[in-house]
Amino acid sequence: AQKITQTQPGMFVQEKEAVTLDCTYDTSDPSYGLFWYKQPSSGEMIFLIYQGSYDQQNATEGRYSLNFQKARKSANLVISASQLGDSAMYFCAMREHSGSARQLTFGSGTQLTVLP
Amino acid sequence: GAGVSQSPRYKVAKRGQDVALRCDPISGHVSLFWYQQALGQGPEFLTYFQNEAQLDKSGLPSDRFFAERPEGSVSTLKIQRTQQEDSAVYLCASSLLISNQPQHFGDGTRLSIL
Repeated sequence: AQKITQTQPGMFVQEKEAVTLDCTYDTSDPSYGLFWYKQPSSGEMIFLIYQGSYDQQNATEGRYSLNFQKARKSANLVISASQLGDSAMYFCAMREHSGSARQLTFGSGTQLTVLP
Repeated sequence: GAGVSQSPRYKVAKRGQDVALRCDPISGHVSLFWYQQALGQGPEFLTYFQNEAQLDKSGLPSDRFFAERPEGSVSTLKIQRTQQEDSAVYLCASSLLISNQPQHFGDGTRLSIL
């Protein structure tokens, strides 16, 4: 079963506008973490933001914020004031904390293009 | 160095050859992961080390894939008798042991099998 679903293969946004990238997840583990990564065309995976399942507040890191809706099992990434350098592939990932597995499970990604 | 270092950056091999990919994690990071990323897809887990112990190798696609981390720092992913479907980017990541800490990735090795 798909654990992380990113339904937007591609998104376009005008420079300086805000954009929301969707992510839904599926887990029966009560304790888990959600991560967003950015992957530019050069290939490196850059960590952006983390949300724990027990965190009371939505995570924020500079222009990045996470719209966490636990009951809906969604963890959408919001990028405010988009910049041309934000053009990249964005991946949502989850790590379940119970059990022995420590790896991240990734979605299929969303290709974001920022238009000048 | 400050980040995860992988080498080589690019590797081209003929089908049937053996290849070895190297990962040098962030100093002090206990956990080390290998992922395989096909073109246009998200990374998929291959194997996990905690220090020198390989605790999870459930993602290795076949017995042609072998990974080691003998001294708990540098890791090598070896692929024997390569096949065309092995062509992908191989990403290494390291992290602290604490569950809410992010994994930090290297730039990856792009493997092309001819």
